[in-house]
Amino acid sequence: DAEITQSPRHKITETGRQVTLACHQTWNHNNMFWYRQDLGHGLRLIHYSYGVQDTNKGEVSDGYSVSRSNTEDLPLTLESAASSQTSVYFCASSPNSGIRTDTQYFGPGTRLTVL
Amino acid sequence: AQSVTQPDIHITVSEGASLELRCNYSYGATPYLFWYVQSPGQGLQLLLKYFSGDTLVQGIKGFEAEFKRSQSSFNLRKPSVHWSDAAEYFCAVGADDMRFGAGTRLTVKP
Repeated sequence: DAEITQSPRHKITETGRQVTLACHQTWNHNNMFWYRQDLGHGLRLIHYSYGVQDTNKGEVSDGYSVSRSNTEDLPLTLESAASSQTSVYFCASSPNSGIRTDTQYFGPGTRLTVL
Repeated sequence: AQSVTQPDIHITVSEGASLELRCNYSYGATPYLFWYVQSPGQGLQLLLKYFSGDTLVQGIKGFEAEFKRSQSSFNLRKPSVHWSDAAEYFCAVGADDMRFGAGTRLTVKP
């Protein structure tokens, strides 16, 4: 079955380190998204991509970067991790329906702790 | 950009009682509207969506939602809540990009 996976599921790192979170989907969706979830804030959009080589900044993009070299993967990099980036990170993808904000399918999440 | 408000942070209902979760949005036109549910430790799952047409939409698990343009609302309802409905519910608005509300946590009393 097609799916969306995230790795690692849990990560502990230190302030100042570079961290990359992986997201892989097998639906062949053009659209992929990264969110962070924090208590009281719901999900906030970090970066998104509407296709290979396309990336866009979301609501809370400072300190994060993404690259899209193929359809299946959208890795999220924290250039220099900060304690404020401790959060649960969700990757999502949506189908090539012509509607960029169509239904999104979510991965299981990565819990990141920055000490 | 669009914004979404879920006024209720936490709601408790008795099993078998009816449920209504509120969602209000701000956007200059009619956006795409969604309700998602999140069980503990899980990702989000789509319950239902509104793009156009009939303003009352049916979703999975017996949920429905009504789009009211005059009130900029998209409230989620269920006539009889089951214990398994306990979860966090998110309203989302798709326009320039996707924006989620802060969520409403539902507790179901036996």
